[in-house]
Amino acid sequence: GNSVTQMEGPVTLSEEAFLTINCTYTATGYPSLFWYVQYPGEGLQLLLKATKADDKGSNKGFEATYRKETTSFHLEKGSVQVSDSAVYFCALSDLRGNNDMRFGAGTRLTVKP
Amino acid sequence: SQTIHQWPATLVQPVGSPLSLECTVEGTSNPNLYWYRQAAGRGLQLLFYSVGIGQISSEVPQNLSASRPQDRQFILSSKKLLLSDSGFYLCAWSVAGRGGQETQYFGPGTRLLVL
Repeated sequence: GNSVTQMEGPVTLSEEAFLTINCTYTATGYPSLFWYVQYPGEGLQLLLKATKADDKGSNKGFEATYRKETTSFHLEKGSVQVSDSAVYFCALSDLRGNNDMRFGAGTRLTVKP
Repeated sequence: SQTIHQWPATLVQPVGSPLSLECTVEGTSNPNLYWYRQAAGRGLQLLFYSVGIGQISSEVPQNLSASRPQDRQFILSSKKLLLSDSGFYLCAWSVAGRGGQETQYFGPGTRLLVL
């Protein structure tokens, strides 16, 4: 079945540091890939997505590239801010069914000033 | 634009009491609807999904149930809460149609504490 594995946290960085959160997936079809962000006490917000191989999703300075050859969708940001502190979830969804969105366990990021 | 609402925002209930959480979506028709639970410090677990009024699919066996009495209303219920039902409950919607690959949009969540 489909699954997502993401880097275990927590991750603590200083402001302006470079961020990478690793995400790899297993899928039998051709999934779309997503990154969601959850700020403290809130629901999940879509951060970015990519729907086919080599697509790059980007938003708010975050980027992730859909790599079919390595089955990865790593999240990166060149310079993090304190306001980026949140939990980040990698997820995949494919054409096999309306319910088939799989989430990673989440990675908590804390950015210190 | 589409919006999704959940209430209540927080809830403290005794063990054995009933539960009713409500989710409504505005600005779209015939959405797919989902209920997830997020236990403390953990990822999301899909509980139920619905592709139409009265159509509910359950992902995991449990003492919770879901209903969809109207097109844009999704209710999560329990007759008797357990301690293990504590968590953060998230409702989500997506565009119906092709199935899969659709972005899911989440509500603000309901934090439930069962004592």
